[in-house]
Amino acid sequence: GAGVSQSPRYKVAKRGQDVALRCDPISGHVSLFWYQQALGQGPEFLTYFQNEAQLDKSGLPSDRFFAERPEGSVSTLKIQRTQQEDSAVYLCASSFLILHTGELFFGEGSRLTVL
Amino acid sequence: TQLLEQSPQFLSIQEGENLTVYCNSSSVFSSLQWYRQEPGEGPVLLVTVVTGGEVKKLKRLTFQFGDARKDSSLHITAAQPGDTGLYLCAGVVGARTYKYIFGTGTRLKVLA
Repeated sequence: GAGVSQSPRYKVAKRGQDVALRCDPISGHVSLFWYQQALGQGPEFLTYFQNEAQLDKSGLPSDRFFAERPEGSVSTLKIQRTQQEDSAVYLCASSFLILHTGELFFGEGSRLTVL
Repeated sequence: TQLLEQSPQFLSIQEGENLTVYCNSSSVFSSLQWYRQEPGEGPVLLVTVVTGGEVKKLKRLTFQFGDARKDSSLHITAAQPGDTGLYLCAGVVGARTYKYIFGTGTRLKVLA
C-alpha cells in the first residue's frame, strides 16, 4: 500500500518478554517518528530519525527502549523486559519534509498489552 | 510532559450544534497543526497554521493561530456525526527543529 504500515497490529506479551514493533514508512520519506499513545491521550514523542540517523531519542522512557532504522527506510522499535506500564499504542509516522510544517503520515499503530 | 493543554477534554453534543476546542501553551510555537484521530487509526492532518493571527477555513471547520503563537482554536459549525473523533493539536518549538509535541486531546462525540 501507499501508506505507513505497522506490524503487528496487536501484541500481547508477558511481563519480562522482549517485543519488536516494525514500521514501514512511505517510500522516499526522510523523517520517521515513533510516538507512544495511552488510551484517550495525545501521542507522546519517543524518537526521531532523519534517514538512518537517530537525531533525537529524548522521549524514550528508559534504556529498555531501543529504536533503529539501519537503511533509512524500515524502522524497528524494540522493548526489552516489558513492564505493565509499557502497555500502550505505539504509533509510527513519516514525513517527506524535515521542516516544521511537514505533514506527518501515521500508521494505524501497534497496540501492546503487557500482562 | 505535555506542553500543549487542550480543552475541553470531552465534548458530547447534538448534531447541528457549534463547538470550539482550545489548545494552549506557555511556549511559542513555530507552527501548529490540528489532527483528527478515529478509533484504531492513526491521526490524520486537518490543517497547518504558521503565522500568528492566521485563520484557515476547511468547510465547516475554522482554525485560528493566536497572535503570540502560543495558542490555537478549532471551531466547528453545525457539527455532524462524521465529526466524531479525537482532535489533537501538535506544535513545533523552534524553527529548526522537527519535534512535534502533541496536545492532551479533545474527544468529540456528535449525536444524531
